[in-house]
Amino acid sequence: AQSVSQHNHHVILSEAASLELGCNYSYGGTVNLFWYVQYPGQHLQLLLKYFSGDPLVKGIKGFEAEFIKSKFSFNLRKPSVQWSDTAEYFCAVNADFGNEKLTFGTGTRLTIIP
Amino acid sequence: DAEITQSPRHKITETGRQVTLACHQTWNHNNMFWYRQDLGHGLRLIHYSYGVQDTNKGEVSDGYSVSRSNTEDLPLTLESAASSQTSVYFCASSEGPHTDTQYFGPGTRLTVL
Repeated sequence: AQSVSQHNHHVILSEAASLELGCNYSYGGTVNLFWYVQYPGQHLQLLLKYFSGDPLVKGIKGFEAEFIKSKFSFNLRKPSVQWSDTAEYFCAVNADFGNEKLTFGTGTRLTIIP
Repeated sequence: DAEITQSPRHKITETGRQVTLACHQTWNHNNMFWYRQDLGHGLRLIHYSYGVQDTNKGEVSDGYSVSRSNTEDLPLTLESAASSQTSVYFCASSEGPHTDTQYFGPGTRLTVL
């Protein structure tokens, strides 16, 4: 069965710092990868997704993620974070062709200090 | 604008009671999903449906059931609520295929006493 690991449970950064959140998955076949964000008191929304093509994916609000197949990784990055990026971030994988189910990681809580 | 709504937003119930959580989407999506969110576990899939009359079990389906009688609605029923089912429940929908974005509802916070 597919699984997703997010090793950073809580990350605290100051504004303007650079961000990288780790995401590793376990599945040897074709994968589709997603990052979702949940701002305080709000529902989950899509940040970005990868399913083919350029392994460097750009999403909303200046976020990007790089798919490295050899490392089974899909890390999320942002060069300069803002206080408004405080949220919980979830990595998710869909690893079965024709199967719309997502497997989520446990999430990383990001706190930005002004 | 299309949206996905959940009701109630907050619910307190007692052990052993039957509880139904509503999910309604106006996207006209074929696929609908129910997740529960717990600290340290992220989101875990409870049940899902790929269309009317279709329902499938997810990884944590014990004690839950769903039915899909139309495109818009996928109610989640807890047959006999247990304290272990205290959680935040999210409904989501997608058009498909598997690369498609899932759109989430605002969540229902359920407390079982």
